[in-house]
Amino acid sequence: AQTVTQSQPEMSVQEAETVTLSCTYDTSENNYYLFWYKQPPSRQMILVIRQEAYKQQNATENRFSVNFQKAAKSFSLKISDSQLGDTAMYFCAFRAGGTSYGKLTFGQGTILTVHP
Amino acid sequence: GAVVSQHPSWVICKSGTSVKIECRSLDFQATTMFWYRQFPKQSLMLMATSNEGSKATYEQGVEKDKFLINHASLTLSTLTVTSAHPEDSSFYICSARDYIQGGSGANVLTFGAGSRLTVL
Repeated sequence: AQTVTQSQPEMSVQEAETVTLSCTYDTSENNYYLFWYKQPPSRQMILVIRQEAYKQQNATENRFSVNFQKAAKSFSLKISDSQLGDTAMYFCAFRAGGTSYGKLTFGQGTILTVHP
Repeated sequence: GAVVSQHPSWVICKSGTSVKIECRSLDFQATTMFWYRQFPKQSLMLMATSNEGSKATYEQGVEKDKFLINHASLTLSTLTVTSAHPEDSSFYICSARDYIQGGSGANVLTFGAGSRLTVL
C-alpha cells in the first residue's frame, strides 16, 4: 500500500514571496504519477501540477514547480511570486501506474495562507 | 474544459432519512466516476468507483448498503446515503475522467465542487 505524508499542517507566506510545500511518499511501484491539488475555500479541487515518475525533468506550470526526488521519494511544490488567490489547502497525491485513474492516495494536506 | 457538477452542494437531513447526491459530467461522457469522502480539515478518501451500467466497486471498509451508488447513464452517477446518522456528516466529492481529452490530459481527473451533508 502507498502512503503520502505532508508534514506541514500549515504554512504562511507574504504576497510575492516564494514558499515550498513538502511531500514524501512510500511505494514499491516503479511506475506512478504524483499530483498537487489545490482546494480553496470554495472546496473545489483543482489540479495544480502533475509529474510522471519516469520523467526526470521536474514539472513546471507558470509559478508552480516541483522538486521530484525519486530516490528520496520526495515531491515538493514551490510556489513563486505568491498571490492572495493561492490561499488554499494543498494536497499531494499519488497514483500507481496501471491502476484506476480515481485511485488516488492523498496526503493530509497543508493549509497555505498568503498574507498581503 | 471538462466540468463535473454536483447537486446539492449542501444538504441537511434528519437522522434515519436517506439523502441522494448527484454527480454529472456536463460536457463529456464518463463511464467511470469516483466518490470521495472528506472530513473537516482532513484528506480525501476514495469510497467507491462508479461504473456505468454495472455495480460500483467499493473500497475496503466502505459499507455498500449504506452508500448506494448508481451510474445509470454516461453522464450521471448518484450516491445515496441510506438511513443517515450524524457520523455520516461529511463532505462528499465526485470526480470523473474525460476520456475524450486523451494525450497529456488523459491522466487528469476533474472534480466536482462537493456536497456537504449534515445529519442532525
